Amino acid sequence: GESVGLHLPTLSVQEGDNSIINCAYSNSASDYFIWYKQESGKGPQFIIDIRSNMDKRQGQRVTVLLNKTVKHLSLQIAATQPGDSAVYFCAENIQNSGYALNFGKGTSLLVTP
Amino acid sequence: GAVVSQHPSWVICKSGTSVKIECRSLDFQATTMFWYRQFPKQSLMLMATSNEGSKATYEQGVEKDKFLINHASLTLSTLTVTSAHPEDSSFYICSGKQETQYFGPGTRLLVL
Repeated sequence: GESVGLHLPTLSVQEGDNSIINCAYSNSASDYFIWYKQESGKGPQFIIDIRSNMDKRQGQRVTVLLNKTVKHLSLQIAATQPGDSAVYFCAENIQNSGYALNFGKGTSLLVTP
Repeated sequence: GAVVSQHPSWVICKSGTSVKIECRSLDFQATTMFWYRQFPKQSLMLMATSNEGSKATYEQGVEKDKFLINHASLTLSTLTVTSAHPEDSSFYICSGKQETQYFGPGTRLLVL
């Protein structure tokens, strides 16, 4: 079936650099996307979301970009810090399917000093 | 963001016994809650959608008689793993919906 996938399973960046985590989705009916951060042994933590009527949304140190033409989503983290080390998941909600989320495989971000 | 709690945070049980996991929305009312399962180094897989006052909706392949869900109030949903077996060992995570989905801290279940 259709699913959300990630281009890179692991990403290693130096502290202070910017990080970019990518996500591809295949269902054109998806209208809401969320990025979550999950630390080891914990539940996912909401980072930022974006609806399909937008192509960019900014938060504190994070930016999500949505390209509906190529069905691509990215999370940019500015000035990456050691505390940003975690697994990042993108999730999609399909229009009119209720509010359940379909999660991507996840990208492990490792921030080195 | 909204806060969701789970209890217990971890549980070890013998094969054949039943385990109940509670999910509470602490500062909001959740007419809809979700239960996910996550195996090591894998993503979250939706098990079921829990609706307050009505029957849960289960995803394909999830046995409703094995994973009993009760959503008796706007702040509490419970998942009971009946006759647990070692293959049920996993990380169970719930979420509540308020504008978006907020997740609990998870419950790690180990079935011996």
